[in-house]
Amino acid sequence: AQSVTQPDIHITVSEGASLELRCNYSYGATPYLFWYVQSPGQGLQLLLKYFSGDTLVQGIKGFEAEFKRSQSSFNLRKPSVHWSDAAEYFCAVDDYKLSFGAGTTVTVRA
Amino acid sequence: NAGVTQTPKFQVLKTGQSMTLQCAQDMNHEYMSWYRQDPGMGLRLIHYSVGAGITDQGEVPNGYNVSRSTTEDFPLRLLSAAPSQTSVYFCASSYVTGPGRVAFFGQGTRLTVV
Repeated sequence: AQSVTQPDIHITVSEGASLELRCNYSYGATPYLFWYVQSPGQGLQLLLKYFSGDTLVQGIKGFEAEFKRSQSSFNLRKPSVHWSDAAEYFCAVDDYKLSFGAGTTVTVRA
Repeated sequence: NAGVTQTPKFQVLKTGQSMTLQCAQDMNHEYMSWYRQDPGMGLRLIHYSVGAGITDQGEVPNGYNVSRSTTEDFPLRLLSAAPSQTSVYFCASSYVTGPGRVAFFGQGTRLTVV
């Protein structure tokens, strides 16, 4: 069975600074990986996905993620954070059903 | 298109009551699923369906029933509500693209059982 670990429960970052959220997965075959964002009181919105091919994937809102098979990681990055990026972020892996990490809450300070 | 619509948005139940959470999608997706979200635990799969007439259990199915009579609708029934079922419930529908699926989520139903 697959599992997803997000080591950071909460990250605080200054507006304009870079952001990196970590995600590690445990899965035997080629994983289908996702990052979702959830704003307070809202549903989940897909930021980006990786199925195959180029290991650096671009998503919406200026986010990107890099798949590293050797490290079983799929870390999410953004070069310059905006106050509107404050949200909870979930990494997920799909093996006929989605399995989610526990999430990382991002706080953006002015 | 409305996407995935969940009703109600908020609900308070007394222990032992039953209710149905509604989920409808207008994207003609075959795959639909229900998750519950609890603090520090991410989203956990309750039940899922790969098409009309076909359902299966997820990670935390106890206390919940589902049925899928149409492609559009996938209701979740709580048979006898318990305080442990206090949670935020999300319905999702997915489409297949290449080797994988992409899920779209509803806005959620916040359920409190007292």
